[in-house]
Amino acid sequence: DGGITQSPKYLFRKEGQNVTLSCEQNLNHDAMYWYRQDPGQGLRLIYYSQIVNDFQKGDIAEGYSVSREKKESFPLTVTSAQKNPTAFYLCASSRYGTANEKLFFGSGTQLSVL
Amino acid sequence: GQQVMQIPQYQHVQEGEDFTTYCNSSTTLSNIQWYKQRPGGHPVFLIQLVKSGEVKKQKRLTFQFGEAKKNSSLHITATQTTDVGTYFCAVSLNAGNMLTFGGGTRLMVKP
Repeated sequence: DGGITQSPKYLFRKEGQNVTLSCEQNLNHDAMYWYRQDPGQGLRLIYYSQIVNDFQKGDIAEGYSVSREKKESFPLTVTSAQKNPTAFYLCASSRYGTANEKLFFGSGTQLSVL
Repeated sequence: GQQVMQIPQYQHVQEGEDFTTYCNSSTTLSNIQWYKQRPGGHPVFLIQLVKSGEVKKQKRLTFQFGEAKKNSSLHITATQTTDVGTYFCAVSLNAGNMLTFGGGTRLMVKP
């Protein structure tokens, strides 16, 4: 069953703590993305990667970090520098990483601050 | 970054009524995509428009791309409760740019 798997579904972060959100895809897609969604708002791009071992900052990268060591995996770390981390985080992928391709989304991770 | 405005932000309709959401840009677009996100779910791709004046239909959904390629609309005829969700447009200036998402229109349908 092909698709994008995000885990965990819910995550809680304590003050000053770094947390990592997992995203795995078995679609053999080159490009992967992380978006943040706040209530009643659209999706904002955090980071994206079009090839293994390479990634670029999106519109709101401050306080986040990523890695792309494998084609299938694109984990997102929410660092303690991100002062307002509570949001719904969506991972997506596309075949080649161009803007005229459709995005496939995972089911998301809801991150909350304790 | 690119600015894209989506209106209205919310829309309540009675089941059976029509619904339209609009996506507007100040700059000419390369392409526009539409996504639907059900409550508690994730965005799912609906369609992509590329050509000036293009009109595409999917059952009760009609998608239009403006002649100047600066705006687009999604029209649903005779809404059903299964249409409930948030509809997003996503735009790009050219194939090399990343997509920029509109703020979405949340559709609520009263049975």
